[in-house]
Amino acid sequence: GAVVSQHPSWVICKSGTSVKIECRSLDFQATTMFWYRQFPKQSLMLMATSNEGSKATYEQGVEKDKFLINHASLTLSTLTVTSAHPEDSSFYICSARGPVAGEYEQYFGPGTRLTVT
Amino acid sequence: AQRVTQPEKLLSVFKGAPVELKCNYSYSGSPELFWYVQYSRQRLQLLLRHISRESIKGFTADLNKGETSFHLKKPFAQEEDSAMYYCALTQGGTSYGKLTFGQGTILTVHP
Repeated sequence: GAVVSQHPSWVICKSGTSVKIECRSLDFQATTMFWYRQFPKQSLMLMATSNEGSKATYEQGVEKDKFLINHASLTLSTLTVTSAHPEDSSFYICSARGPVAGEYEQYFGPGTRLTVT
Repeated sequence: AQRVTQPEKLLSVFKGAPVELKCNYSYSGSPELFWYVQYSRQRLQLLLRHISRESIKGFTADLNKGETSFHLKKPFAQEEDSAMYYCALTQGGTSYGKLTFGQGTILTVHP
């Protein structure tokens, strides 16, 4: 089956530094990737949508200069949290959508837990 | 704006009992509804979608446009069904794939 990986699975960083999270589709080409954020005991909230080779579109209330998204290839999207602060601590989940066995499906990565100290 | 509501945060049943996880939505257009499941320490995965009208692992869900509901049902719950269940909605057109999730329901099936 189709697999989406995320790296790292968890990261701790100091306030003010930047952190990059990678999302890869391992065995299919993801024309679209989505980034979600999940606070403890809460649901997933869509942050942004990225299509390969074009600028990401951000949901209302999400700072695009804070959360930089790059979708440079059909198998890789990155989310960079710039100048991270403790309130950015969260679980970040990506999903990738593309043709798998002739059907367009969306698959989720395992998530990345970010802790900002 | 679209919204998905799962009124129950926690649901406990005994093995073999019927289970129903409730989901209501609000959206002015024609949405596509999904149920996703997340087993312990695993990633989110699609359980079923309303357009395919299929039964997965004994679960079914019918879209009721009049009541704007998409409840998930299983006649005989199993212990392995214990998981977090999310109801989700996506719009059509260029926004297809952008998912709005409900708050999730933790289902616990007791032996």
